[in-house]
Amino acid sequence: GQSLEQPSEVTAVEGAIVQINCTYQTSGFYGLSWYQQHDGGAPTFLSYNALDGLEETGRFSSFLSRSDSYGYLLLQELQMKDSASYFCAVRGNDMRFGAGTRLTVKP
Amino acid sequence: DADVTQTPRNRITKTGKRIMLECSQTKGHDRMYWYRQDPGLGLRLIYYSFDVKDINKGEISDGYSVSRQAQAKFSLSLESAIPNQTALYFCATSDQRDSYQETQYFGPGTRLLVL
Repeated sequence: GQSLEQPSEVTAVEGAIVQINCTYQTSGFYGLSWYQQHDGGAPTFLSYNALDGLEETGRFSSFLSRSDSYGYLLLQELQMKDSASYFCAVRGNDMRFGAGTRLTVKP
Repeated sequence: DADVTQTPRNRITKTGKRIMLECSQTKGHDRMYWYRQDPGLGLRLIYYSFDVKDINKGEISDGYSVSRQAQAKFSLSLESAIPNQTALYFCATSDQRDSYQETQYFGPGTRLLVL
């Protein structure tokens, strides 16, 4: 079957670095996306990897290894406003999302 | 004005009732999606449409139907609502010209409660 696995919760302090991993098993693969969702809000796009390697966008970076069916989202210089849920998603034959990782940033 | 709008934002209905959730977008995107979100399960794809004449089932289409009335409008219907369809429903759009990035833009969500 198809699945995306990511940790359910992560806690870190302001200014720290945190990595959220995602492993996937899907029918077809075109790319791995990451979305952020604050409580009560809609998911918003963060990044997309279609090819192996690291993509950097400001404080956020995303990595993909297609051979390992694995990716991660790296958040640097954590801020309180980064407290949210983060979802990995795979574009394959359709669109699949992971269950989400709830990140709590503490002062 | 929001680019992707959903109506209603909240809805309470009874088991067996037919209801429709509507999504409109002003982004000019050709692709539209309906998801449901349940606590601990993330987002699950119900139906998606790549243009007006294209409708595809997603992961959990049973008990739902959709209509793509125009490029800008995509409606989700529950023919006979049941309590386990209580969830947060999101509409999303994407642009096939942006297929490399595969960015999806989400509406604000519709919170549905089926009693």
